[in-house]
Amino acid sequence: NAGVTQTPKFQVLKTGQSMTLQCAQDMNHNSMYWYRQDPGMGLRLIYYSASEGTTDKGEVPNGYNVSRLNKREFSLRLESAAPSQTSVYFCASTAEYSNQPQHFGDGTRLSIL
Amino acid sequence: AQSVTQLGSHVSVSEGALVLLRCNYSSSVPPYLFWYVQYPNQGLQLLLKYTSAATLVKGINGFEAEFKKSETSFHLTKPSAHMSDAAEYFCAVSEDTGRRALTFGSGTRLQVQP
Repeated sequence: NAGVTQTPKFQVLKTGQSMTLQCAQDMNHNSMYWYRQDPGMGLRLIYYSASEGTTDKGEVPNGYNVSRLNKREFSLRLESAAPSQTSVYFCASTAEYSNQPQHFGDGTRLSIL
Repeated sequence: AQSVTQLGSHVSVSEGALVLLRCNYSSSVPPYLFWYVQYPNQGLQLLLKYTSAATLVKGINGFEAEFKKSETSFHLTKPSAHMSDAAEYFCAVSEDTGRRALTFGSGTRLQVQP
């Protein structure tokens, strides 16, 4: 099973460029999440999606947009990249109940110059 | 609001020694607690979870954690460290709401010395 797949794995952007990070899961999960990981800060929630067509802001949503077009895929878009968005981005998914663990992708390492 | 505090950003132990990674949480409702491990350049892998069934939880790779409500703690232990245990470990608490997002601690990097 692939689990949660993220593309690309690495990306370097210039300030002001835009890009979309892709995420897909094959576990039939309803809930999907985008986190960013920065040194010494753990992971912080950017956006969340409870189901197809619904999204909600997390702790650090500024500068990002998301799209949940179907149950499998949840994309994260940077419209105008800034150096402060240099980070490792993780997508995760989980089943219905809060006692179920989230499954994570391998991450996208994004550098913005 | 929920929060997680991991004491010690770096822990170093000798191979064969006890591993103890500390985690304290804050939650207004009974929490669901998780420990994840992250190896270099990889995603997060679930080690174990507490979901109120038992206070002592056993996970993969010989790790276990004990939920202590009176101390609001969920410390991770392993009796004998192995070189392959070197990684970063994250404690997380789950919201008991529709969003079910995880709140993470800042992580503890475990070094294992030969």
